[in-house]
Amino acid sequence: QSVLTQPPSVSGTPGQRVSISCSGSTSSIGRNFVHWYQLLPGTAPKLVIFRTNQRPSGVPDRFSGSQSGTSASLASSGLRSEDEADYFCEVWDDSLSGPVFGGGTMLTGL
Amino acid sequence: QVHLQESGPGLVKPSETLSLTCSVSGASISSDFWSWVRQPPGKGLEWIAYVHHSGNTEYHPSLKSRVTISLDTSNNQFSLRLRSVTAADTAVYYCARLQQVAERPPEYFDYWGRGTLVTVSS
Repeated sequence: QSVLTQPPSVSGTPGQRVSISCSGSTSSIGRNFVHWYQLLPGTAPKLVIFRTNQRPSGVPDRFSGSQSGTSASLASSGLRSEDEADYFCEVWDDSLSGPVFGGGTMLTGL
Repeated sequence: QVHLQESGPGLVKPSETLSLTCSVSGASISSDFWSWVRQPPGKGLEWIAYVHHSGNTEYHPSLKSRVTISLDTSNNQFSLRLRSVTAADTAVYYCARLQQVAERPPEYFDYWGRGTLVTVSS
């Protein structure tokens, strides 16, 4: 059971705005920045959002992040087929003295 | 561009030791933090350990008694050893660079390897 809670799956039609939630605790999301990763089978995981809402170079600007209280979310302003992947949130947990991950969300197009 | 690649046996017998190496190019392991993360089949990601370029290490409490992470600066590699493995240790193992901002604890993984599947079975 993961320390951070994500919905197992989220789906949307092409061009639709979709978002993925990530729920934690006061010792994790309540105190530290949330980061998001995209996983595709057979490829290296890719950082898509860091420090709540920062995009690494090369990540499309349709991806955005937000964080409030003990929750965070990742959004795509217009779903594209290449966005279909598993997404994981991650945050430093003060009680663990280490990073923790969500259980992952499979983003699919309808 | 920073590139990481995991290597090691894909099959380990129960009670034996899992040993993996991560080869790094495009960056020096004499700076930054370096880490191992795993993903059991059908499950989420789990942080295992990280090592600072100074040699300081941190381990997940649930694995601390069985894990060692170390640096090999001469070959620009770092390694993972997990002792007394069981079927529960079957997973895809990833190596990654862990980024620190200012004087805060390390925060996010900016570069990852593709991962290597390790199966624990007799």
